[in-house]
Amino acid sequence: AQTVTQSQPEMSVQEAETVTLSCTYDTSENNYYLFWYKQPPSRQMILVIRQEAYKQQNATENRFSVNFQKAAKSFSLKISDSQLGDTAMYFCAFMPYSGAGSYQLTFGKGTKLSVIP
Amino acid sequence: DTGVSQNPRHKITKRGQNVTFRCDPISEHNRLYWYRQTLGQGPEFLTYFQNEAQLEKSRLLSDRFSAERPKGSFSTLEIQRTEQGDSAMYLCASSFTGGTEAFFGQGTRLTVV
Repeated sequence: AQTVTQSQPEMSVQEAETVTLSCTYDTSENNYYLFWYKQPPSRQMILVIRQEAYKQQNATENRFSVNFQKAAKSFSLKISDSQLGDTAMYFCAFMPYSGAGSYQLTFGKGTKLSVIP
Repeated sequence: DTGVSQNPRHKITKRGQNVTFRCDPISEHNRLYWYRQTLGQGPEFLTYFQNEAQLEKSRLLSDRFSAERPKGSFSTLEIQRTEQGDSAMYLCASSFTGGTEAFFGQGTRLTVV
């Protein structure tokens, strides 16, 4: 079974500054995917960024980038130039690569990020 | 709106009553997932469908819970004899077969009083 741990229940950042959200995971799988999902106050979960475990290069999506350390089982999210619209719950999630399997996600408990004007 | 749609958005029910939620996935998506999210927690997997076949169920899905996807399109999640511990947000998601990105609906918030 997989576990995902987010050790920061809440964080805040000044608008235009940079913030890093932490995530660690535990698995015996060798091939898997890691995700950061954003859940704004409206509650609809949105994919922010995805990382394939077999890729050494860290994923980036505009202002969002990850620091993926496979040996340490660490997957942090960096948000640059924070904007008010980044205020949300952020969930780290794990999905094993299981071929024809279920692709079910295992989520952490989330980090509530507040961007302060 | 071509996203995942869930109805109702909110449901308040008395303990012991039955409730049913509906999820309409993105039309091209073969896979449909149900998750439950309690306060202060991340979503937890309940079950998933590949077209109309229910292929996996979590141990969280007690015998009071049943899910269907009769024609491989919309899905329903029924909870019988609701308990206060069933109070949660129930999230539906859909994806393409083999797709790694799940698209979530806004959820149905259930309150059992």
